[in-house]
Formats: sequence, C-alpha cells, structure tokens
Amino acid sequence: DVQMTQSPSSLSASVGDRVTIICRASQSISNYLNWYQQKSGKAPVLLIYTASSLQSGVPSRFSGRGSGTEFSLTITSLQPEDFATYYCHQSHSRPPTFGQGTKVEIK
Amino acid sequence: EVQLVESGGGLVQPGGSLRLSCEASGFTFNSHWMNWVRQTPGKGLERVATIKQDGSEQYYVDSVKGRFTISRDNAKNSLYLQMNSLRAEDTAVYYCVRVADSWAFDCWGQGTLVTVSS
Repeated sequence: DVQMTQSPSSLSASVGDRVTIICRASQSISNYLNWYQQKSGKAPVLLIYTASSLQSGVPSRFSGRGSGTEFSLTITSLQPEDFATYYCHQSHSRPPTFGQGTKVEIK
Repeated sequence: EVQLVESGGGLVQPGGSLRLSCEASGFTFNSHWMNWVRQTPGKGLERVATIKQDGSEQYYVDSVKGRFTISRDNAKNSLYLQMNSLRAEDTAVYYCVRVADSWAFDCWGQGTLVTVSS
C-alpha cells in the first residue's frame, strides 16, 4: 500500500497568515493526489483534485502543487472558516490511502 | 443538489451483523464508482470498500475481506454495506462516498456511526 505522510500534524496560525501543508507519498503517484477539509463533526469536503485542480465552489485562496512523491496545499490569507483538519489522499493505486491529517488551529 | 444519505448504523455486539444503506440523489448514480469510507480517532480515514458502476467489480480493505460485502441497486439509486462478524475495531463513522471521474472522492454523506461493543 502507498503510505501518505503529512507534515506538520498540527499548526497554529492567525487569520491572514499563509499556511502550507506537506504530503509525501511512499512511492510515485504521478498527480493522483487530492486534498480534503474536515470540520468538527462533519464529513470531509473535497478542495483540490489531481494535485492542483480547484474543486468547484472552493475559494481561490486554496491551491495545490506537486507531482511524484511530494505535494503541498497552501492557504493564502487564512480565514476564520479555514480552521479545520486537512487530509491528503492518493487515488493512483489500490487501495486508495489517506494521510493522517493536519489540524489547523487558531493562534 | 447532489446528496448521499446513510442509514443503518447503531450499536451491535461483537460477532453481530449490520447493514448500512446509502440513498443517492441529484446525480446519475449508475455513472459513478462508489465507496464506503470509515473514520476512527485512532486510524483516521480508511477506504473500506469500492464498487464499480454496474456492480461487476468490488474491492475491499484487507481487514474486512470475507466479512463485509458492498453492493448497489442502480434502480433504487442505493448503495449498501453488509457487515458480518463485526469486531470492536470496526467501530467507526461510516461514510458513503462518490468517486469522481478524476478518482477523487467528490461527494460524502453525513456519516453513520457503527459501535461494536458488548
């Protein structure tokens, strides 16, 4: 199975900050990397698919990049509604696997 | 509006069975692969089972093979997960999830809690 490792596991940031989350795959997954946001008690929501494509309805302050084994999710100018847990997910190989999550907290 | 609504969760004893259902609306159900994904505080998100549009292919995480069965009824726009021989480690919130053409998981239900405990 492809192992997905996110860093950091958690971070504290202020409204208006630029935040970057890293996701590394244990083997090359081309660009089959997706990012989700999950708020407490709710289901995950797709933000970014195929590494850098913005899902419809997602604000443009979210962006993704990367290919192969290293990927990143960046939130420019963090908003109050962005405090949540973020997960990466590879859909290149079966079984699909997720990172352990990065919790973004208010500083 | 695309919607997935799960039902069937609850408390069950170890060794027991439970059947989860997911009713889909707002999209062409038989055009999409579908998943069950579960979430626990300890193991995070885990894809449990996947089924092809016509039901001809199914895939499972190793830990549920031989115990869980994913199925679908395209005439009823419904997805199912039959769970047998349940174990404490199957305790989780189970989500019904649509697979997009990009293979991302683009639509999630609200989740249903399964608790396996005596």
